[in-house]
Amino acid sequence: SQELEQSPQSLIVQEGKNLTINCTSSKTLYGLYWYKQKYGEGLIFLMMLQKGGEEKSHEKITAKLDEKKQQSSLHITASQPSHAGIYLCGADIDYNQGGKLIFGQGTELSVKP
Amino acid sequence: DARVTQTPRHKVTEMGQEVTMRCQPILGHNTVFWYRQTMMQGLELLAYFRNRAPLDDSGMPKDRFSAEMPDATLATLKIQPSEPRDSAVYFCASGLVFLAGGSYNEQFFGPGTRLTVL
Repeated sequence: SQELEQSPQSLIVQEGKNLTINCTSSKTLYGLYWYKQKYGEGLIFLMMLQKGGEEKSHEKITAKLDEKKQQSSLHITASQPSHAGIYLCGADIDYNQGGKLIFGQGTELSVKP
Repeated sequence: DARVTQTPRHKVTEMGQEVTMRCQPILGHNTVFWYRQTMMQGLELLAYFRNRAPLDDSGMPKDRFSAEMPDATLATLKIQPSEPRDSAVYFCASGLVFLAGGSYNEQFFGPGTRLTVL
């Protein structure tokens, strides 16, 4: 969706390196969700952010929400081959349509051993 | 271990044939979503249901696609007639949504149905 832009589209990093993926909305965010997808499989929920300035971590993955910029970033520390996959952000941008999400195009991450 | 199930996982069919995809949402979830994923368009919402009632199907080509929830344990997405441009991975997701806006809307995705229309 053009309402939700992810960058970069693809990323190749050396194992052990840190990386950041960004997700920017053209509309007000009422919730921002990060998912991971492996090729040929469904999406796996990583974390959800709702409040400006909120930051959540799961293992070596940290996500932050900048409400003013209507942007979220996903940061992976000391990347591992198991982090490889497609990362998608999903956003709840319609207050009256609780549950309906739009998704970014995804960021394909490759981690070279 | 509750999960969303979808059948079939793979479907190859010829143009003009009818295709039916099925989804069993997680028991207790009140909202079911159908998505289509392609390389060009990414993940697009086709339709979704709340307590089995259709809420929004604006993402779905109306002339050939139809989505139903005959009961709480089954959602179906039908394409008739199918066309090569319908080739994609179709995902079903379910979630428990309490409030509008700002609510916790985690969606649990099924493994998808990979559809190829020749």
